[in-house]
Amino acid sequence: AQKITQTQPGMFVQEKEAVTLDCTYDTSDQSYGLFWYKQPSSGEMIFLIYQGSYDEQNATEGRYSLNFQKARKSANLVISASQLGDSAMYFCAMREGPNDYKLSFGAGTTVTVRA
Amino acid sequence: DAGVTQSPTHLIKTRGQQVTLRCSPKSGHDTVSWYQQALGQGPQFIFQYYEEEERQRGNFPDRFSGHQFPNYSSELNVNALLLGDSALYLCASSGTATGTSGIYEQYFGPGTRLTVT
Repeated sequence: AQKITQTQPGMFVQEKEAVTLDCTYDTSDQSYGLFWYKQPSSGEMIFLIYQGSYDEQNATEGRYSLNFQKARKSANLVISASQLGDSAMYFCAMREGPNDYKLSFGAGTTVTVRA
Repeated sequence: DAGVTQSPTHLIKTRGQQVTLRCSPKSGHDTVSWYQQALGQGPQFIFQYYEEEERQRGNFPDRFSGHQFPNYSSELNVNALLLGDSALYLCASSGTATGTSGIYEQYFGPGTRLTVT
């Protein structure tokens, strides 16, 4: 079964506008972590933001915020005030439990920011 | 402070050949993970090395093997290459308490693009 589902293959957003990238996950563990990574065309995965399953507050990092809805098993990424440099592939990933060291990634969403 | 480095950047091999990819972790990190990313897909976990031992393995055949050296650098070896092994191979490093918030954050290298013909 797919652990991470990203249903938006591609999105266009106008510069300076906000964009929301969807992510749903599947786990039976109570303790897990959710990550968002950005992958520009250069290929390197850049860490953006993290949400722990026990964190009560939604995570924020600068222009990035994570809309965490535990009961719905969703962890959507919100990018505010989009910039041209935000054009990239975005991946949602999950680490399940303290003894699971791997990251399970979704298929990704391509974001293109228009001037 | 050098980040995760990988070599080579690009590689072209023929079916049936063997390949070795290399990774040096970020300074202070002792754990190395390898991922395979096929074109247009998310990365898939191959395995992770910690204290020179394979700590966890994903669903990859035995043709994929690895090694971690005392300086924490790592190699990924792939034998009997198939066309389907063509992908971007990403190395990620982490430590016992890394990242801006102390969470288990994996830092990725730029990857090695492997093409099998």
